[in-house]
Amino acid sequence: KQEVTQIPAALSVPEGENLVLNCSFTDSAIYNLQWFRQDPGKGLTSLLLIQSSQREQTSGRLNASLDKSSGRSTLYIAASQPGDSATYLCAVWGGSEKLVFGKGTKLTVNP
Amino acid sequence: DAGITQSPRHKVTETGTPVTLRCHQTENHRYMYWYRQDPGHGLRLIHYSYGVKDTDKGEVSDGYSVSRSKTEDFLLTLESATSSQTSVYFCAISDRPTGLSEAFFGQGTRLTVV
Repeated sequence: KQEVTQIPAALSVPEGENLVLNCSFTDSAIYNLQWFRQDPGKGLTSLLLIQSSQREQTSGRLNASLDKSSGRSTLYIAASQPGDSATYLCAVWGGSEKLVFGKGTKLTVNP
Repeated sequence: DAGITQSPRHKVTETGTPVTLRCHQTENHRYMYWYRQDPGHGLRLIHYSYGVKDTDKGEVSDGYSVSRSKTEDFLLTLESATSSQTSVYFCAISDRPTGLSEAFFGQGTRLTVV
């Protein structure tokens, strides 16, 4: 059974800092890994999708890496801003059309 | 943003009453999903659809049913709502099976069963 863990559960940083969010999964037989952002009371916004054949994806200040063999992914946020404050979720394919989500990392960027 | 609309956005209902949540998409995607999000559990799949009239159960399907009579609409019904079904419900869509394609989520429906 696929399980996804995100560490830390919460992170508070000053504005401008570069930061890394971690995601680990137990079953390396994944097709892709997707990072989402969720603002309080809102839906999920897709940030990056990494296919299993890829090692990283970049979008603006965001860079996500994937190491299938070790069951790890990282989301790197450069030059963080207060507007980056949100909960970040990673999800992987869990079989039977199911995305298995981690519980998220709540990020606070302080001005 | 993907064209996904969930309705209603908020609902309070009494235990034992039937409730239907609607997900409408304008992307013509084949796959549609219903998830629920609860503190301590994260997001969990309730039901999904891989085409009109083609649906299947997810990991927490007990007490829920779904229907998809048109590509654009996916309905989630709680036949007799219970307090344990108080949750935030999210609809998601994708144009290929989950493992092969990006999933896009709606804004959610906050359901309270009293």
